[in-house]
Amino acid sequence: DADVTQTPRNRITKTGKRIMLECSQTKGHDRMYWYRQDPGLGLRLIYYSFDVKDINKGEISDGYSVSRQAQAKFSLSLESAIPNQTALYFCATSDQQGTEAFFGQGTRLTVV
Amino acid sequence: GNSVTQMEGPVTLSEEAFLTINCTYTATGYPSLFWYVQYPGEGLQLLLKATKADDKGSNKGFEATYRKETTSFHLEKGSVQVSDSAVYFCALSPSGSGNQFYFGTGTSLTVIP
Repeated sequence: DADVTQTPRNRITKTGKRIMLECSQTKGHDRMYWYRQDPGLGLRLIYYSFDVKDINKGEISDGYSVSRQAQAKFSLSLESAIPNQTALYFCATSDQQGTEAFFGQGTRLTVV
Repeated sequence: GNSVTQMEGPVTLSEEAFLTINCTYTATGYPSLFWYVQYPGEGLQLLLKATKADDKGSNKGFEATYRKETTSFHLEKGSVQVSDSAVYFCALSPSGSGNQFYFGTGTSLTVIP
């Protein structure tokens, strides 16, 4: 089984709809992250969480919200999806020393 | 602030050619430096890393040396293979307990037979 699992892998949704992307990890790490990948822009940090009670905004948090349901689970929500949120979304986890980030396989989201 | 600048792609090489992908960084303190690779349809996976100045990370024939004096971490491979075709990301994690990861924009590599 993968260390970091994202669901769904692919999703097409309509403008204005609420959508949730889910992430779970089996690494036992406290730290979890949500990134967005766009061509030519690399990975940009949306939100990160250093433990269950610690949630922080990243570089591009507008239009997104997160929930850390447990150490192993970190979900990303788009309250009202818009077309420019079409992107590849990655969840990641790391230990407290930041020795390595482990990534999920990504969720390809298309907003039409 | 913290940032990573890497060579823009795409890069196309013939099999067995020499590869260099440049990466420079800006960071406070003494960050850890990473190269991640993303194969088509997959997530990022760690290729190599270095945690202090003059360290050399290596894996699968790839190497990168942490150069503090030039704030660089260039990726090299002496002889690329078709299977090396992927997107390569340079990244840093600043020192200290409040760290997070900062990524470059990625460099797409295509190796042709």
